[in-house]
Amino acid sequence: NAGVTQTPKFQVLKTGQSMTLQCAQDMNHNSMYWYRQDPGMGLRLIYYSASEGTTDKGEVPNGYNVSRLNKREFSLRLESAAPSQTSVYFCASSERGSSSEAFFGQGTRLTVV
Amino acid sequence: DQQVKQNSPSLSVQEGRISILNCDYTNSMFDYFLWYKKYPAEGPTFLISISSIKDKNEDGRFTVFLNKSAKHLSLHIVPSQPGDSAVYFCAASSIQTGANNLFFGTGTRLTVIP
Repeated sequence: NAGVTQTPKFQVLKTGQSMTLQCAQDMNHNSMYWYRQDPGMGLRLIYYSASEGTTDKGEVPNGYNVSRLNKREFSLRLESAAPSQTSVYFCASSERGSSSEAFFGQGTRLTVV
Repeated sequence: DQQVKQNSPSLSVQEGRISILNCDYTNSMFDYFLWYKKYPAEGPTFLISISSIKDKNEDGRFTVFLNKSAKHLSLHIVPSQPGDSAVYFCAASSIQTGANNLFFGTGTRLTVIP
């Protein structure tokens, strides 16, 4: 039972480069999320998808785009990476949005130099 | 502005004793609260939750208490075990508004000393 799988686990980018973080869940959950975790800030929501075909902005969406490719997959794209986007990124999924527990992936540690 | 606050960055407790982790929130619309545990290099894992219609929820060694008037919740771990050493995050959401966001605190690092 894989749960939520994120790739890659580590990435170093140069300022201005682009990349896509991949996320897939095998629990048939409707809702999926992307969070970032920064020291002293807790986890902050970047984007979420309440169901297949829909996406909405969270607290800190600037500089990111997302795609809900199908029910299983939810990707996060950085079009032009900036040092301020250095963070640990977590993908999560839940059955019924914020009224049910969210299951998290292992995280992607991204460094932008 | 942080809507969920965990004012203690760290806590150390002897094995077998009680661990009490605290969390405060500012948004009166929050009606569902969760605690997550996080080990290094892993994602957070769900521990226990409580709805605002309750003031206590218990699951084995873990109990969460909610004081709505004080906008305060706490997680009690009894007895504490070395394997409980982790970072604990408090989170809150507003189901009644239909919002899909979980607001997280900054975390408390618990160390259980054998």
